[in-house]
Amino acid sequence: AQSVAQPEDQVNVAEGNPLTVKCTYSVSGNPYLFWYVQYPNRGLQFLLKYITGDNLVKGSYGFEAEFNKSQTSFHLKKPSALVSDSALYFCAVRDMNYGQNFVFGPGTRLSVLP
Amino acid sequence: GAVVSQHPSRVICKSGTSVKIECRSLDFQATTMFWYRQFPKQSLMLMATSNEGSKATYEQGVEKDKFLINHASLTLSTLTVTSAHPEDSSFYICSARDKMQSSGANVLTFGAGSRLTVL
Repeated sequence: AQSVAQPEDQVNVAEGNPLTVKCTYSVSGNPYLFWYVQYPNRGLQFLLKYITGDNLVKGSYGFEAEFNKSQTSFHLKKPSALVSDSALYFCAVRDMNYGQNFVFGPGTRLSVLP
Repeated sequence: GAVVSQHPSRVICKSGTSVKIECRSLDFQATTMFWYRQFPKQSLMLMATSNEGSKATYEQGVEKDKFLINHASLTLSTLTVTSAHPEDSSFYICSARDKMQSSGANVLTFGAGSRLTVL
């Protein structure tokens, strides 16, 4: 079975500092990995995905994520956080061996302090 | 880019009534749409997978007679909460997959969500 863990419920960073939101996954086959962001009372917005190729993936709004197969991780990063980055972040995995469903992590709330 | 419109964004209803939520793909055709439920401060729980022209596939524990899903066209799926009760109050989100994308790693496009409050 596939699963996603986001070990931190909450991450606080100061504006201008680098941020990391952690994600680890478990799948039986090759993973497709995604990060989505959710603002209050809104749906999810796609940030980036890893399918194959370079382990470092660059996405929207200056975010990037690094795929680490040995550690089964896909941590989201940004070199310099903005207050407007404060939101709820979801990591998701799709295992092609298990059809078309995405499995979402529990979410991590990011607060960027001015 | 792909846009999914979800309506209504907020709805308040009395207990025992039914509520319909619409999910439309505005600039693409979606053979598959997903319906999720999100409780406060929690992740998304997949309720069902909706395929155009066929019956929806419900996740374990989701009452199909309670949450009626219809995917009558390639651009519209509806979720009807029948005989709603206060415990059905939640944030419901739909997502859609573009028919023209390859099946490999296509991205889901999400609607903005619908907050249902049952009094």
